[in-house]
Amino acid sequence: DGGITQSPKYLFRKEGQNVTLSCEQNLNHDAMYWYRQDPGQGLRLIYYSQIVNDFQKGDIAEGYSVSREKKESFPLTVTSAQKNPTAFYLCASSISSSKNTGELFFGEGSRLTVL
Amino acid sequence: QQQVKQSPQSLIVQKGGISIINCAYENTAFDYFPWYQQFPGKGPALLIAIRPDVSEKKEGRFTISFNKSAKQFSLHIMDSQPGDSATYFCAASNTDKLIFGTGTRLQVFP
Repeated sequence: DGGITQSPKYLFRKEGQNVTLSCEQNLNHDAMYWYRQDPGQGLRLIYYSQIVNDFQKGDIAEGYSVSREKKESFPLTVTSAQKNPTAFYLCASSISSSKNTGELFFGEGSRLTVL
Repeated sequence: QQQVKQSPQSLIVQKGGISIINCAYENTAFDYFPWYQQFPGKGPALLIAIRPDVSEKKEGRFTISFNKSAKQFSLHIMDSQPGDSATYFCAASNTDKLIFGTGTRLQVFP
């Protein structure tokens, strides 16, 4: 079945450690996105990528990094510079970002807890 | 200008009742307004969407009402069911990004 796979589903990290969240899609979508979800704040865009080897900062990119070496993969690294990393992270994709129709397909998320 | 304001934050409805969630925006360049539904522990999924050239769109028990002059749009869930209990997000877009509202947690009691 086509879809978006995020891993791990749950992750615990000690302060000062970097952690990488995986996102893979087999929908052949061009665009991929990372959102952060916190209670009462909705979904906030961290980074997005329209094509391979290119990505742009979203609204809350500080303390995060991404790469897009393959069309199907868009990993997110939460660095030690992120002040409050405990959150639910969602990866999404869309067919094309040249004209966003709002039809994002989301993974099931990764819940990161910093101890 | 890029914000989408959503209300209420939470909503409790009796089974069979009507659930209404409202959103407002400022940026008149927005041209696509989707609603997403999210169940606990899952990612959001597209529920229904509308473009500003129509004032209403209905899919089953779900209806979007759109008021372009007031820059507001709302989701109506008719005959609400316990299975509709979820968090609902409105959103708006005009380029390559989607701006989400803060979400409404809907609980439908039998």
